[in-house]
Amino acid sequence: AQTVTQSQPEMSVQEAETVTLSCTYDTSESDYYLFWYKQPPSRQMILVIRQEAYKQQNATENRFSVNFQKAAKSFSLKISDSQLGDAAMYFCAFRGAQKLVFGQGTRLTINP
Amino acid sequence: DTGVSQDPRHKITKRGQNVTFRCDPISEHNRLYWYRQTLGQGPEFLTYFQNEAQLEKSRLLSDRFSAERPKGSFSTLEIQRTEQGDSAMYLCASSLGWDSLIYFGEGSWLTVV
Repeated sequence: AQTVTQSQPEMSVQEAETVTLSCTYDTSESDYYLFWYKQPPSRQMILVIRQEAYKQQNATENRFSVNFQKAAKSFSLKISDSQLGDAAMYFCAFRGAQKLVFGQGTRLTINP
Repeated sequence: DTGVSQDPRHKITKRGQNVTFRCDPISEHNRLYWYRQTLGQGPEFLTYFQNEAQLEKSRLLSDRFSAERPKGSFSTLEIQRTEQGDSAMYLCASSLGWDSLIYFGEGSWLTVV
């Protein structure tokens, strides 16, 4: 069974600075996707970034980038130039052939 | 395209009552997923459908829970004899295929009193 672990229940960062959220996963599958989702207080699950396991290049979406280490089964999210609107719960998720499996989440606070 | 819609958005029920949630996926999406999320936790997988076939059910889905997708379009999740531990947000999501993006609805909040 796939598992996703986020070891940081809470993180905080000063506005305009950079923060990295950690995620590790476990799977025996070779073809899969990894995601970071953001869930603000409204509870709507918003896709932040996606990484295909077969791609060696790390995905980037504007201020959001990932560090994907396939051998280590690590998938961290870096948020640059943090903004107040980035405050939310962030979930790392794994998707193999079947379902999406989520980590426990990291609550990110942005300090003005 | 409208997004994934869920109804009702909020439901308060007394312990022991039955409740039903409905999910309308994005048009033409053949996969539909149900998740449960409690406060401060990540969403937990409950079940998923490919068209009308229910392909996987989590152990979390006790015999009080049943989900259907009768015509491969909308889905319902019914909870019988609700318990206080069922209080959570029930999220529905859909996708076009196994490797396409999964889109989430806004969730249905259940409070059992």
